Amino acid sequence: RKEVEQDPGPFNVPEGATVAFNCTYSNSASQSFFWYRQDCRKEPKLLMSVYSSGNEDGRFTAQLNRASQYISLLIRDSKLSDSATYLCAVNRGSSASKIIFGSGTRLSIRP
Amino acid sequence: SAVISQKPSRDICQRGTSLTIQCQVDSQVTMMFWYRQQPGQSLTLIATANQGSEATYESGFVIDKFPISRPNLTFSTLTVSNMSPEDSSIYLCSVGIEGTTEAFFGQGTRLTVV
Repeated sequence: RKEVEQDPGPFNVPEGATVAFNCTYSNSASQSFFWYRQDCRKEPKLLMSVYSSGNEDGRFTAQLNRASQYISLLIRDSKLSDSATYLCAVNRGSSASKIIFGSGTRLSIRP
Repeated sequence: SAVISQKPSRDICQRGTSLTIQCQVDSQVTMMFWYRQQPGQSLTLIATANQGSEATYESGFVIDKFPISRPNLTFSTLTVSNMSPEDSSIYLCSVGIEGTTEAFFGQGTRLTVV
């Protein structure tokens, strides 16, 4: 079983739509959870850290369910500029910054 | 955060040769890592670069193929040895900073082996 599993998509949605990504992780000792965004031919950039209480940043909402070992990302009112690959990431047990990535979910927003 | 510089940004290499990629950080960092991103794939962790000692490799990666150095807290190198076309990938350096848990990435090295 992969350490971090993610639906690879692609998701192709119209501008203004709401889209949700899901991710599961296998290591119950993981302490830190993230969503990264990767644009074509660029390095990944941190989008959001994910906290147990859930967190929101503008149109983006991330949630964590430790019992189910499940992470989600919700994008509301999607924009053309949201088109990218979204990578779920989890740290390896207690090792801070040693991060394992999911396969990534490709999102395309159409006009 | 930290400013991470990788060199070269891209290279085209002949099979059977080796390439050394450099990663320089503008501040001392606790952790440095090397990842590989094969075409159309996500990032796979190669190893943790340990300062002053041998790197810690992930399953499927070995020192003979990917020797790593980390002589100090701001610099690391990854060598891709005896390259084959299957080594064509983007290789990324990442760092962890004291007091944070997220990873920051260099811009990557795009390697093509012909």
